[in-house]
Amino acid sequence: AQSVTQPDIHITVSEGASLELRCNYSYGATPYLFWYVQSPGQGLQLLLKYFSGDTLVQGIKGFEAEFKRSQSSFNLRKPSVHWSDAAEYFCAVGAKGGGADGLTFGKGTHLIIQP
Amino acid sequence: ETGVTQTPRHLVMGMTNKKSLKCEQHLGHNAMYWYKQSAKKPLELMFVYSLEERVENNSVPSRFSPECPNSSHLFLHLHTLQPEDSALYLCASSQATGVTEAFFGQGTRLTVV
Repeated sequence: AQSVTQPDIHITVSEGASLELRCNYSYGATPYLFWYVQSPGQGLQLLLKYFSGDTLVQGIKGFEAEFKRSQSSFNLRKPSVHWSDAAEYFCAVGAKGGGADGLTFGKGTHLIIQP
Repeated sequence: ETGVTQTPRHLVMGMTNKKSLKCEQHLGHNAMYWYKQSAKKPLELMFVYSLEERVENNSVPSRFSPECPNSSHLFLHLHTLQPEDSALYLCASSQATGVTEAFFGQGTRLTVV
């Protein structure tokens, strides 16, 4: 069975500093990987996805993520965070042919931005 | 207008009430989903519909009853809920049930008293 681990429940970063949110997955074959962001009281918005090809993927809002098969990781990065980036971030893994019905989400990382 | 719209945004109901959550997608997608998001727990997939037919039900209690009258609308009928059912209920849609990204609504915050 597939699983996703987001080791950090909370992360605090100063505005303007760089950010890396960790995601580790467990899946037997090549996974399909996603990062979603959720602002308070809102639904989830897709930041980026990895299906195949270049292991460094670019997303919206200046985010990027790198797929590292050897480490079973898909960490999310941003060079310089803004106060508006404060939100909950979810990593998800999906199985080919499984669809969104096959998406497994991590528990999320709560990002706090210090002024 | 967002692609996936949920109403109401907030709902408070007693354990003996019957209410319904509504979801509408304007993206031309063929698959729709209900998720439950509780505090400190991962998102839980509840129901999956593809072309208006239920394709997955993850052992959800019968007090939750989904309905998908067409590919654009999805309902979640609620009756005799328990306080532990209080959560954020998220609707999502995707182009198909193959692995494509899911687009989420803003959710309905449900409180059972």
